[in-house]
Amino acid sequence: DIQMTQSPSSLSASVGDRVTITCRASQSISNSLNWYQQKPGKAPNLLIYAATSLQSGVPSRFSGSGSGTDFTLTISSLQPEDFAAYYCQQSYSTPRTFGHGTTVEIK
Amino acid sequence: EVQLVQSGAEVKKPGESLKISCKGSGYSFTTYWIGWVRQMPGKGLEWMGIVYPGDSDTRYSPSFQGQVTISADESINTAYLQWSSLKASDTAMYYCARQGTIAAAGSSFDYWGQGTLVTVSS
Repeated sequence: DIQMTQSPSSLSASVGDRVTITCRASQSISNSLNWYQQKPGKAPNLLIYAATSLQSGVPSRFSGSGSGTDFTLTISSLQPEDFAAYYCQQSYSTPRTFGHGTTVEIK
Repeated sequence: EVQLVQSGAEVKKPGESLKISCKGSGYSFTTYWIGWVRQMPGKGLEWMGIVYPGDSDTRYSPSFQGQVTISADESINTAYLQWSSLKASDTAMYYCARQGTIAAAGSSFDYWGQGTLVTVSS
């Protein structure tokens, strides 16, 4: 199985901050990397697919980068509704493993 | 509009069997993989497996192989996740999700059900 390592596991930030979350795969996965946002009590929501493609309806302050083994999710200017958990997932091979998640909290 | 609607919350005793469902609408159900994801209380997302309703091809995570059965009935646009003998450690929220195409969604889970909470307690 491909292991996905996210960092940090949690972070505190203020509204307006630039936030970066990283995800590392245990082997090369090309650009087969997706990012999801999950708010408490809700199902996850797709933000970014294929490492850099913004899902329809997702605000442009979210962006993704990377290829191979190292990937980044960036929120350019954190908004109140962005406080949530974020997960990466590889879709290169089955099982399509998730990272352990990053919780973005209010500072 | 694509929708995945899951069956309601369940409370079961250890050793009992259970089958939960996920009904798709608003798209061609037989041509997209449907996956199941476990989220234990306060924990992260775990990929369990996927089924292709068109031919019932199924793939499991090694962590869940033999522990659950994933299936689909294309005649009623419904996917299932079932257990033959529940354990307390199966207590979790279970989500179904549609796996989008490589071209349109990078094989990500682009639509999700609302989740089914399964509680196993004596």
